[in-house]
Amino acid sequence: GGIITQTPKFLIGQEGQKLTLKCQQNFNHDTMYWYRQDSGKGLRLIYYSITENDLQKGDLSEGYDASREKKSSFSLTVTSAQKNEMAVFLCASSDNTEVFFGKGTRLTVV
Amino acid sequence: GDSVTQTEGPVTVSESESLIINCTYSATSIAYPNLFWYVRYPGEGLQLLLKVITAGQKGSSRGFEATYNKETTSFHLQKASVQESDSAVYYCALGANNNAGAKLTFGGGTRLTVRP
Repeated sequence: GGIITQTPKFLIGQEGQKLTLKCQQNFNHDTMYWYRQDSGKGLRLIYYSITENDLQKGDLSEGYDASREKKSSFSLTVTSAQKNEMAVFLCASSDNTEVFFGKGTRLTVV
Repeated sequence: GDSVTQTEGPVTVSESESLIINCTYSATSIAYPNLFWYVRYPGEGLQLLLKVITAGQKGSSRGFEATYNKETTSFHLQKASVQESDSAVYYCALGANNNAGAKLTFGGGTRLTVRP
């Protein structure tokens, strides 16, 4: 089996700060995703990538950038953190039949 | 766009009671969606519980069942007798079955607490 590793697990940022979240997978999957989860709400897709150097916008891409540096890694940047923002960011990868998730990065903006 | 609506939590039941978490979907951009239930146990990552890719079929896992009903656009999750270890957050989701990957649309999640 494989694993998806997200770093950091907890991220505290300041308003206006640029913040980067990282994700690594060893499944050798082509497709990777970033989802945002707000308390009491479902997951919303921010960006996904179907291969190295590919980027596709999801429903929630505004305010974010992403980068697929190589097949195994997919990073997400919050371009300007919003005050009092709290959410969990989930990275995932898939082999076109099943999606596997990391444990998430919890973001708090003070 | 596509959407998924599920039972709003929190849901609390006693051990050995039956459970149903409702899920209905609208797949406007996908002709034949795949349907999923994901679960997040305390302290763990989101993981697949069961999936069904063909209308009319039933999926099952860990005592849970869900039937893909295209007529009612529903995919309700059921278990005849819950255990305390089933306490978790459950998400219904739909996805496309194409080469672009299994991009998913999720419901809002249902937090289940099972009392001992």
